Formats: sequence, structure tokens, C-alpha cells
Amino acid sequence: LAKTTQPISMDSYEGQEVNITCSHNNIATNDYITWYQQFPSQGPRFIIQGYKTKVTNEVASLFIPADRKSSTLSLPRVSLSDTAVYYCLVGKDGLVDNTDKLIFGTGTRLQVFP
Amino acid sequence: DTAVSQTPKYLVTQMGNDKSIKCEQNLGHDTMYWYKQDSKKFLKIMFSYNNKELIINETVPNRFSPKSPDKAHLNLHINSLELGDSAVYFCATRAAGGPAEQYFGPGTRLTVT
Repeated sequence: LAKTTQPISMDSYEGQEVNITCSHNNIATNDYITWYQQFPSQGPRFIIQGYKTKVTNEVASLFIPADRKSSTLSLPRVSLSDTAVYYCLVGKDGLVDNTDKLIFGTGTRLQVFP
Repeated sequence: DTAVSQTPKYLVTQMGNDKSIKCEQNLGHDTMYWYKQDSKKFLKIMFSYNNKELIINETVPNRFSPKSPDKAHLNLHINSLELGDSAVYFCATRAAGGPAEQYFGPGTRLTVT
């Protein structure tokens, strides 16, 4: 199982773009990269998933270089409500798939200031 | 409509007691999970059920017994509670063969005194 490494915390200000990088040096060929967001006292919420290059949705973008040993979650123009913990996960389909496991790391605590 | 609900939201009990946490989903998903998030915020999978069948039991003490009476429910029963069981327990679901995202419940904060 590929282990992930993320910064423990990051600070930003409203309106700025935030990039959170995750390292996963031993990612397997069939592994996907998935990001979750967790607000205090709530369960994690799926943000985005990708396999390679770039994926974009209404919430974020995910950049994955060709070697796939790292990935960057990009949050455009953050607001106070983006203050949360962001988890990077790596695994088959990014999730438990009968025999695979979903492994949450320590996550990155993002604090957005006014 | 809440997609994944858990009851109770808070549970305070004494060591040695037996308690249950209930999870219900109205998404029609085939796979359900229990996760434990400890005081250091590490989130770890405990169990996975697919169509009422146990798929994963992640080295959880046998004091923990999941029960799935039907596809929409996955309850967690804990016997002889210990101080170390204090944590937030999350239920989650996922559509079998569907997209990657899991849907998490609001969590149950268990405090063992």
C-alpha cells in the first residue's frame, strides 16, 4: 500500500489559491489518488480523484505529474469555509475494493484567515 | 434527507458496558464501512460490508461486532468497553462498482469513562 506524506498544516488568506502537495513515492500502477476534506465534527467528504495529468471539478483541481510520485490539490480563491483538514489517499480506485484498503494519513490542516 | 445517518451522535458510558451505534443509509449503496478516528485525528478503517457480507475486518478486537440486518443498515456493537475505545466512529457507504467516493455519516463521539 502506497504511503502518503503531506504537510501537517498550511495557512492562507481569503481569495488566495492554495496548493497542497502529497508525496506517494511507491504508488502502484493501478492506484488512484483521491482527496477528501474534513470539517470539524463532520465526516470526510470526497473532493476529487485522478490517475494522471490533470483533473478539475467545481471544487478543486488535481495535478499529477507523469511519474505519479506526487500530486497537488489546488483550491482556487479559498474562503473561510475552506478551513478544514485535507487528506490525500492512494489506492486501487482510491478506495476499498473488496481486497484493497482505504488508508487515511495525517492530512493537512488548512487554516484560512480573513 | 440525510444520506448516511448515525445514532446516537454522542455516547458517554462507563468501562465494561456494552453499547451499539447504528448506521442507516438511503443511497442504495452496496458497500458500508465503519471507521474509527482517535484523539489524534487518525482515521482508520475497521470493517467493510458488501451486500451484508463482511469483507474486511481490520485487526479490530473481537469486542467489536458489526451487524448488517439489511443493505441499508450497518450497526456496530461493542462489548466490554475500554477507555481506549473513546473515539469518533464514522459510518460510510459506497456504490459497488461505482465512482470512488465514499459518503460518510456525521460520526458518533464515544466517550468511555
